[in-house]
Amino acid sequence: DAGVIQSPRHEVTEMGQEVTLRCKPISGHDYLFWYRQTMMRGLELLIYFNNNVPIDDSGMPEDRFSAKMPNASFSTLKIQPSEPRDSAVYFCASRFSVGDTQYFGPGTRLTVL
Amino acid sequence: AQSVTQPDIHITVSEGASLELRCNYSYGATPYLFWYVQSPGQGLQLLLKYFSGDTLVQGIKGFEAEFKRSQSSFNLRKPSVHWSDAAEYFCAVVAYNNNDMRFGAGTRLTVKP
Repeated sequence: DAGVIQSPRHEVTEMGQEVTLRCKPISGHDYLFWYRQTMMRGLELLIYFNNNVPIDDSGMPEDRFSAKMPNASFSTLKIQPSEPRDSAVYFCASRFSVGDTQYFGPGTRLTVL
Repeated sequence: AQSVTQPDIHITVSEGASLELRCNYSYGATPYLFWYVQSPGQGLQLLLKYFSGDTLVQGIKGFEAEFKRSQSSFNLRKPSVHWSDAAEYFCAVVAYNNNDMRFGAGTRLTVKP
């Protein structure tokens, strides 16, 4: 398996622009997670899906952030409009079931100027 | 809710020396425990995990960790550190009945020649 795939790997955009991050989980995994990593706050869980349904989005910072999972093999995290404080590395992760090993993608490094 | 503490932000060891990275968790029951490693610019790679059974678990790259319920600890060890082990190490905990994986703040390991 290719593992969790994220695109793009790097994104540089200007404040106010819309940003879309993409994730393809490992085939057969029922859970998908979006994390954000910053120096100040470490790794934070933003939202997770089970069988394509959003279960807990309490970590989403504000309404500018939204996430979708239209099917079992694809998820997006959208920021609209983006702000400089959104600059971070965003990770997608997936796992098969509760308590199973969670596999992380390589991350998307977002820079908002 | 469960939480994880990694008391050491940064540790420096000489190549060939032994290593122990500390991790303490807070949770009412036995959680699932993980150690991940992150090299610069990379995603998180699982080193090892503890679910149940033998409290001493072996992982990849010569790492091991011991679960000590009485101390609420899950410390990571390696008998002889290699220069390639320089990275950031994260301890994580998941409650057995939910999906919220909590990460510690991480410990940055520097290896001196």
